[in-house]
Amino acid sequence: EVQLVQSGAEVKKPGESLKISCEGSGYNFNDYWIGWVRQMPGRGLEWMGVIYPDDSDTRYSPSLQGQFTISADKSINTVYLQWSSLKASDTAMYYCVRSKNYFDSWGQGTLVTVSS
Amino acid sequence: EIVLTQSPGTLSLSPGERATLSCRASQSISSYYLAWYQHKPGQAPRLLIYGASSRATDIPDRFSGSGSGTDFTLTISRLEPEDFAVYYCQHYINSPRRYTFGQGTNLEIK
Repeated sequence: EVQLVQSGAEVKKPGESLKISCEGSGYNFNDYWIGWVRQMPGRGLEWMGVIYPDDSDTRYSPSLQGQFTISADKSINTVYLQWSSLKASDTAMYYCVRSKNYFDSWGQGTLVTVSS
Repeated sequence: EIVLTQSPGTLSLSPGERATLSCRASQSISSYYLAWYQHKPGQAPRLLIYGASSRATDIPDRFSGSGSGTDFTLTISRLEPEDFAVYYCQHYINSPRRYTFGQGTNLEIK
């Protein structure tokens, strides 16, 4: 069974850094792109970016590029989403997704709350 | 940039009724790259349809997708209580690799 398991909820202050994770299992992790999708409060789904764990080839949403970094450690089947300086507007639910032409498997979500 | 516009924004129906949800692309797209998702509160979204009309694993046959060019439709033939949720369409572009969601349709109980 394909599974994506994300790290737990986080509460941070503006300006702090954060790295959340997504561990894949049940399939050959290096054969699929893994992406991140966010849902800000009261808003719809928004694609953020995607990485190919085998060679760390990464693509970002043009409208969001520069606001975060996606990385991978294929030795432990894990993809990361990180921020160097959080803003209140980064408050959202973040989902990792196995990415083909569509997203066929979703992590359970990581809620990130940024508040002073 | 391709924009997906879903309509209506909110659809109020009763269990047993038929639901028709629309997704319109700002320019013609390949149906191979059009998918639909269901999202319930407190849960991760779930893939329903890919390639515009292929049902994902374990999706009941009351869900069907159709369309081509710029107009795509998700139909739920007879609504069950568990079908009330928000539905999103999504498009994929291969070069450069990019994904786009529609803004969603909220299917609510009347």
